[in-house]
Amino acid sequence: AQSVAQPEDQVNVAEGNPLTVKCTYSVSGNPYLFWYVQYPNRGLQFLLKYITGDNLVKGSYGFEAEFNKSQTSFHLKKPSALVSDSALYFCAVRKVGAGSYQLTFGKGTKLSVIP
Amino acid sequence: DSGVTQTPKHLITATGQRVTLRCSPRSGDLSVYWYQQSLDQGLQFLIQYYNGEERAKGNILERFSAQQFPDLHSELNLSSLELGDSALYFCASSPNPGEYYEQYFGPGTRLTVT
Repeated sequence: AQSVAQPEDQVNVAEGNPLTVKCTYSVSGNPYLFWYVQYPNRGLQFLLKYITGDNLVKGSYGFEAEFNKSQTSFHLKKPSALVSDSALYFCAVRKVGAGSYQLTFGKGTKLSVIP
Repeated sequence: DSGVTQTPKHLITATGQRVTLRCSPRSGDLSVYWYQQSLDQGLQFLIQYYNGEERAKGNILERFSAQQFPDLHSELNLSSLELGDSALYFCASSPNPGEYYEQYFGPGTRLTVT
């Protein structure tokens, strides 16, 4: 079985400060990892993914994430937060070679960027 | 805009009724996925179709069924509806069922069962 934990229901950060949204995962093999963002009354938007290779992945809107295999983590980061980054963020995992294409999502973290 | 369309946006119906949710994938995408998002369960994978065939099943109730048509649009049928079925239902698509492909989500259908 595969699972994702997002330990913080909510993260508050001041505009211009760096932000981190935490994600840890559990799979029995190697993972594919994804971050999505959901704005109010909208569908999920893909931000970035880790497949293989460089542990630091860069994505849309200035976001990046660092894959850490030893800590089974894939934290989302941005150097300088914008008010428009306020949204719900989801981490998702899929096991490599499982033959299953479903994504397992975390519960989500609500990010609030304070002006 | 992801290119995935879903209709209707909102649906209000009574317990015991049956509804059909429709999804059109991005142009060229062959795989369609259905997810249910509720406050208590979070985002749950329901079912996946690839080029008309069922590929994977998740936490889908027996009262729910889906299909993908030759033009690649998909429908999710929910029957004998219960209050607990009230949720946001998302459709997503990807080019093929490859494990490393990201999925692109539609805007969702909000179902309210009264």
